[in-house]
Amino acid sequence: NAGVTQTPKFRILKIGQSMTLQCTQDMNHNYMYWYRQDPGMGLKLIYYSVGAGITDKGEVPNGYNVSRSTTEDFPLRLELAAPSQTSVYFCASRNRDGYTFGSGTRLTVV
Amino acid sequence: AQSVSQHNHHVILSEAASLELGCNYSYGGTVNLFWYVQYPGQHLQLLLKYFSGDPLVKGIKGFEAEFIKSKFSFNLRKPSVQWSDTAEYFCAVNQPNAGKSTFGDGTTLTVKP
Repeated sequence: NAGVTQTPKFRILKIGQSMTLQCTQDMNHNYMYWYRQDPGMGLKLIYYSVGAGITDKGEVPNGYNVSRSTTEDFPLRLELAAPSQTSVYFCASRNRDGYTFGSGTRLTVV
Repeated sequence: AQSVSQHNHHVILSEAASLELGCNYSYGGTVNLFWYVQYPGQHLQLLLKYFSGDPLVKGIKGFEAEFIKSKFSFNLRKPSVQWSDTAEYFCAVNQPNAGKSTFGDGTTLTVKP
């Protein structure tokens, strides 16, 4: 059982470039989330989804987009990358028993 | 809006010392409560959870937490910490059937050997 799989693990982007962070889960969880975590800080919710076809903004959605066409996949799109988006990104899924997090994507924008 | 407060931002202990990390939440209704741990360079993992029943819950690695409804608290405890417990600890709360949980800002625990 793989759980939540994120790719890539590391990425360096130049300012203005775009990329998609991939996230897939094999636990059939309806709820999925994207968080960012800056050094020494807690988790900031970017977007979340309560099921296929349904997404909603979190605390810090600006500069990001998401889609949820299937239960398994919840990609996060960065358009026009900025240095402020340098962070570690965690995808997670949830059922009643709690969250399962992916291993994270460390993104640097230069 | 629901909020979660973790009062201790950074705790430093020596091995074998006892640990208590505070967590208070603001919502007055029924809640589900969680503690997650993030070891250095890793992702968050579930440590323990409380839904109902016995307010003292036991989790992995000797951790336990006590739900005190009257104090809106869910403090994490461990009788004797080890160097390997060095990590960041997050408290999280959600209403049953809610779309998302609210996380605290985390407490960094450093255990000196």
